[in-house]
Amino acid sequence: GAVVSQHPSRVICKSGTSVKIECRSLDFQATTMFWYRQFPKQSLMLMATSNEGSKATYEQGVEKDKFLINHASLTLSTLTVTSAHPEDSSFYICSARGGTPSPQHFGDGTRLSIL
Amino acid sequence: GDSVTQMEGPVTLSEEAFLTINCTYTATGYPSLFWYVQYPGEGLQLLLKATKADDKGSNKGFEATYRKETTSFHLEKGSVQVSDSAVYFCALSGDYGGATNKLIFGTGTLLAVQP
Repeated sequence: GAVVSQHPSRVICKSGTSVKIECRSLDFQATTMFWYRQFPKQSLMLMATSNEGSKATYEQGVEKDKFLINHASLTLSTLTVTSAHPEDSSFYICSARGGTPSPQHFGDGTRLSIL
Repeated sequence: GDSVTQMEGPVTLSEEAFLTINCTYTATGYPSLFWYVQYPGEGLQLLLKATKADDKGSNKGFEATYRKETTSFHLEKGSVQVSDSAVYFCALSGDYGGATNKLIFGTGTLLAVQP
């Protein structure tokens, strides 16, 4: 089946560092990619939706300058957490879709820990 | 706005017990409904889906029927195994004015199956 690869799976870094997370669709072209944040024992919160070649659409309350999203190709989207702080520590999950009505396929997530 | 409500967990069962996880939704129009499963430390995997009323989604012994009259999509399995232990998310996807069709998730239900 469709596979989405997310990298890195875990990152630990100091406060103030910028962290980039990659999301790749391995066997299909992802016209749309989604970025979610999951807090402990809570559901997934959609952060933003990105379509290849255009600016990402952010959900209300998500800081665009804090969470930079780039979707430069049909197989790769990146999320950069800029100047990360401990409150940014979370589990970030991406998903990709080849086009409606195909379902979203999820990556395995990235555990981000900011010290 | 559209929303999904799931029964709170954790749900603790003995192996071979019958499982029901309740899910109800609120939506305008005719959404598609999904169940996703998340194993510890991993991303989400699509378990099953239904795209219209009275459809039954099924996979790996799990079933859920799209009930428009009760706006429900309850997940059932006749005999659970220890390997079914995971968090289960109910989700819907509707028409949000574009081709995005973003997913709206419930809060997730932790299932723990004991041998």
